[in-house]
Amino acid sequence: DTGVSQNPRHKITKRGQNVTFRCDPISEHNRLYWYRQTLGQGPEFLTYFQNEAQLEKSRLLSDRFSAERPKGSFSTLEIQRTEQGDSAMYLCASSGRGGSSYNEQFFGPGTRLTVL
Amino acid sequence: TQLLEQSPQFLSIQEGENLTVYCNSSSVFSSLQWYRQEPGEGPVLLVTVVTGGEVKKLKRLTFQFGDARKDSSLHITAAQPGDTGLYLCAGDTGKLIFGQGTELSVKP
Repeated sequence: DTGVSQNPRHKITKRGQNVTFRCDPISEHNRLYWYRQTLGQGPEFLTYFQNEAQLEKSRLLSDRFSAERPKGSFSTLEIQRTEQGDSAMYLCASSGRGGSSYNEQFFGPGTRLTVL
Repeated sequence: TQLLEQSPQFLSIQEGENLTVYCNSSSVFSSLQWYRQEPGEGPVLLVTVVTGGEVKKLKRLTFQFGDARKDSSLHITAAQPGDTGLYLCAGDTGKLIFGQGTELSVKP
């Protein structure tokens, strides 16, 4: 049973650098979500794909953020010109075909980003 | 803006005590999900409630969805140190809207 996987688990970078995170969803799931979580808060929605189509983007997702899901399988989240305020846990979740008829989302372990 | 207010934010209790966590909103959700999260890990789905008034039990955990599908509660009976963690409620609007979480600490 392979759940949602995310790489890397931890990333430390200097302000101004670009970073890219990868998410591999549960294989039969067609929906993929990205969330961001800061200390002491619940996750906040960033963006959502159904298959390869990006259907919704939060206002939290500034122009420095871009996400792709080119073949409807894995997804990448890139942050350009990182800022200290980007430091957070970035979570990926998947849901859809093969699971419950409700939008039950299953989360990966997250990527912890620290911007120095 | 849809918000989920979760309370209490922190809870520290002794092993064997009972507790209830509340999740309230002015919005109606098609379903509501409860997650538990450990430090440095992603949230793990505990239960999904869908129907107004629904009650679901998971061992010592009892989840209830309000009649109007705007609020929910999680009750833990005879808490154990293994229950320690961050409990999150999330309302489904197509994407999940999360509460701030309840940090539970159960001391032996």
